[in-house]
Amino acid sequence: GENVEQHPSTLSVQEGDSAVIKCTYSDSASNYFPWYKQELGKGPQLIIDIRSNVGEKKDQRIAVTLNKTAKHFSLHITETQPEDSAVYFCAPMNYGGSQGNLIFGKGTKLSVKP
Amino acid sequence: DAGVTQSPTHLIKTRGQHVTLRCSPISGHKSVSWYQQVLGQGPQFIFQYYEKEERGRGNFPDRFSARQFPNYSSELNVNALLLGDSALYLCASSSLPPRQLNTEAFFGQGTRLTVV
Repeated sequence: GENVEQHPSTLSVQEGDSAVIKCTYSDSASNYFPWYKQELGKGPQLIIDIRSNVGEKKDQRIAVTLNKTAKHFSLHITETQPEDSAVYFCAPMNYGGSQGNLIFGKGTKLSVKP
Repeated sequence: DAGVTQSPTHLIKTRGQHVTLRCSPISGHKSVSWYQQVLGQGPQFIFQYYEKEERGRGNFPDRFSARQFPNYSSELNVNALLLGDSALYLCASSSLPPRQLNTEAFFGQGTRLTVV
């Protein structure tokens, strides 16, 4: 089955700095690569995703890059703000696979200091 | 439009008891999935239902069961509760069948289950 690892597990940055979280996966058949943000007391919320035929996707201050050869994808947040403080999860998935469910990493707790 | 709603929000049960958790998907969504999130970990897949049929099952014991109703709402049942079942139980709904690209999973706020 899929083995998903996220690094770092915790990340503290100053407001305005950039943050990068990396996700490594093992299933070469994975073809969907989302990032979820979970705030305290809430369920995960999709913030950005990428398909396997695209190398990079950007949405305002957040971007995701994919390296299928090396089997990793990364979340980039620029100009961080205090409201970006949350736990971020990657959840690579193989659409069309036996289960078709999300497999989450252990999460990265991002703290943005004002 | 209302998002995914789960009830109850919090629950305390004793070891050996059973529990039923409920989920109402976003209107028009026919796919519901259940995840267990232990403190400090990522959510772990339990079940997926589409059109009232089970379409996927994670690596959980038979004490865990679920069903989906004609209105696409869903229940997760856990029997013979153990201390280790204490977790946040998340429900997610999607508009398309499982294994189809372009189907975003929308999560509810979860039910916090504590087993004492």
